[in-house]
Amino acid sequence: AQSVTQLDSQVPVFEEAPVELRCNYSSSVSVYLFWYVQYPNQGLQLLLKYLSGSTLVKGINGFEAEFNKSQTSFHLRKPSVHISDTAEYFCAVTGAGNNRKLIWGLGTSLAVNP
Amino acid sequence: EAQVTQNPRYLITVTGKKLTVTCSQNMNHEYMSWYRQDPGLGLRQIYYSMNVEVTDKGDVPEGYKVSRKEKRNFPLILESPSPNQTSLYFCASSFRPPQTASSGYTFGSGTRLTVV
Repeated sequence: AQSVTQLDSQVPVFEEAPVELRCNYSSSVSVYLFWYVQYPNQGLQLLLKYLSGSTLVKGINGFEAEFNKSQTSFHLRKPSVHISDTAEYFCAVTGAGNNRKLIWGLGTSLAVNP
Repeated sequence: EAQVTQNPRYLITVTGKKLTVTCSQNMNHEYMSWYRQDPGLGLRQIYYSMNVEVTDKGDVPEGYKVSRKEKRNFPLILESPSPNQTSLYFCASSFRPPQTASSGYTFGSGTRLTVV
């Protein structure tokens, strides 16, 4: 069965510093990968996705992620964070075949401090 | 504006009193889903619907019901709510199952339910 592990439950960082939120998945088949962001008191919003093609994916708000098939990872990065990036970030994976179930990580809370 | 609308945003109710949380989308999406979000447990799928009159259980369906009589609406029904159903609930929709949807899920803003 597929699973998603977000390696850090909380990531504190100072404003303008770089950040990496780590996501590993387990799957023996091709997958599609997503990062969602949840700002305080809001629903989840798609940040970026990997379906196929280039392994470096760029999303909204300056975030990017790299799909690494050999390490089964999909880490999210931003070179310089802002206070407004403070949010909960969720990694999710789904199979590319008939398996339609979206498997979610438990989330990483990013706290950007001034 | 393309959106998923949930109502109410906040609800406090008593054990056993039936309630319905509404969800409506204006994007002509076939696929809709309900999730609950709990601290330390992440997002867990309750029910989903592939299209009108087609629904199926997710990971935690006990104590919930859904219906899909129209494409745009997907209400979540708690026939006899209990305190362990206190949670943050999200409705989401997509054109097709997530692995082929170019835009992923669109989420509603959430319903915070407290059952006392």
